[in-house]
Amino acid sequence: SQTIHQWPATLVQPVGSPLSLECTVEGTSNPNLYWYRQAAGRGLQLLFYSVGIGQISSEVPQNLSASRPQDRQFILSSKKLLLSDSGFYLCAWSTGGSAFFGQGTRLTVV
Amino acid sequence: GESVGLHLPTLSVQEGDNSIINCAYSNSASDYFIWYKQESGKGPQFIIDIRSNMDKRQGQRVTVLLNKTVKHLSLQIAATQPGDSAVYFCAERGMDSSYKLIFGSGTRLLVRP
Repeated sequence: SQTIHQWPATLVQPVGSPLSLECTVEGTSNPNLYWYRQAAGRGLQLLFYSVGIGQISSEVPQNLSASRPQDRQFILSSKKLLLSDSGFYLCAWSTGGSAFFGQGTRLTVV
Repeated sequence: GESVGLHLPTLSVQEGDNSIINCAYSNSASDYFIWYKQESGKGPQFIIDIRSNMDKRQGQRVTVLLNKTVKHLSLQIAATQPGDSAVYFCAERGMDSSYKLIFGSGTRLLVRP
């Protein structure tokens, strides 16, 4: 069966520090991968998606970037975090049906 | 741009009653719709989906209805239980190969004992 892993579960980072969140998928090949952000009490905003290795599409301008170095690995990064980058970050995968989500990373920028 | 929205931000129901959560979508070209359940601090969990060539689909205690004429989607939960308390999101997907989902803002379902 397919599984998706995100880490870390929680993270507290100072303003101006770098960020690297990792997501890996098991049990499927060539999935589409997604990074969403969720503000407290709000819906999910799509940040990036990837349809293949090295292919990244950005949905909204922001202080973040994404990379897909391997088929089942998706990384969300920032060189310098802002307070507004705080939120709940969710990784998801899809092969054409529903999208399946990881358990998320709660990022607090202080 | 296209968006998916919800009519009610919070729904409170008595345990054992049926719940109905509504959602409006704006992109008439969307061909696939999904309902997710999200518990506090966790990722969204798939509940049920429906394609645009259908108007009703049933699962275990849940039914999704799609009305393409008025671009409306609803989730019906039968015999609501305390474990159903969560935030529910509808999502729509277009027909391109990105399979990306557009989410609404969510409805919080509170089940009273």
